[in-house]
Amino acid sequence: DAGVIQSPRHEVTEMGQEVTLRCKPISGHDYLFWYRQTMMRGLELLIYFNNNVPIDDSGMPEDRFSAKMPNASFSTLKIQPSEPRDSAVYFCASRVVNEQFFGPGTRLTVL
Amino acid sequence: AQSVTQPDIHITVSEGASLELRCNYSYGATPYLFWYVQSPGQGLQLLLKYFSGDTLVQGIKGFEAEFKRSQSSFNLRKPSVHWSDAAEYFCAVGARIEGGSEKLVFGKGTKLTVNP
Repeated sequence: DAGVIQSPRHEVTEMGQEVTLRCKPISGHDYLFWYRQTMMRGLELLIYFNNNVPIDDSGMPEDRFSAKMPNASFSTLKIQPSEPRDSAVYFCASRVVNEQFFGPGTRLTVL
Repeated sequence: AQSVTQPDIHITVSEGASLELRCNYSYGATPYLFWYVQSPGQGLQLLLKYFSGDTLVQGIKGFEAEFKRSQSSFNLRKPSVHWSDAAEYFCAVGARIEGGSEKLVFGKGTKLTVNP
């Protein structure tokens, strides 16, 4: 199994642009989580899905952030418009049987 | 709401020395506790977890952790550190959520440096 796959690994964009981060969870996992990691705030849970349905998006910082999971093998996190304070590493994780498996992350830099 | 405190931001040990990383949590019910390790540029890997039962938990790579309810602690230990253990370590507490999974709250992490 390839593990959780995230793309792109690095993204540099300019303020105001739309950014889309992608995640492919491990096959058979029923939960998918999006996290954001910054020096100031550490690892924060943004949103999670159960069987493709968004359950809790209370961690999404603003309406500029949105996430979708159109099927069991794909999820996106979109930021529109992006701002410099969105610069962070964004992780996707999928879960089965008491363990969350993390992807390698997408390092986002907004100039 | 649950929270996790890792009081040591950075720890340096010599290779072969013992290691203890501290973690204190706040949670109203019986906690689910986790330790993850993150190598530079990588995602997080689970080292070990505590759900119930024996309070001394064994994990991968020779790590263990002990749950002490009276101290609200879940410290991570390793008797002899290897250079490859240099990484950042995160403690997390999980609260049960709909469907049986856990919603994790992470500490700020402890960065471990290993001197040769």
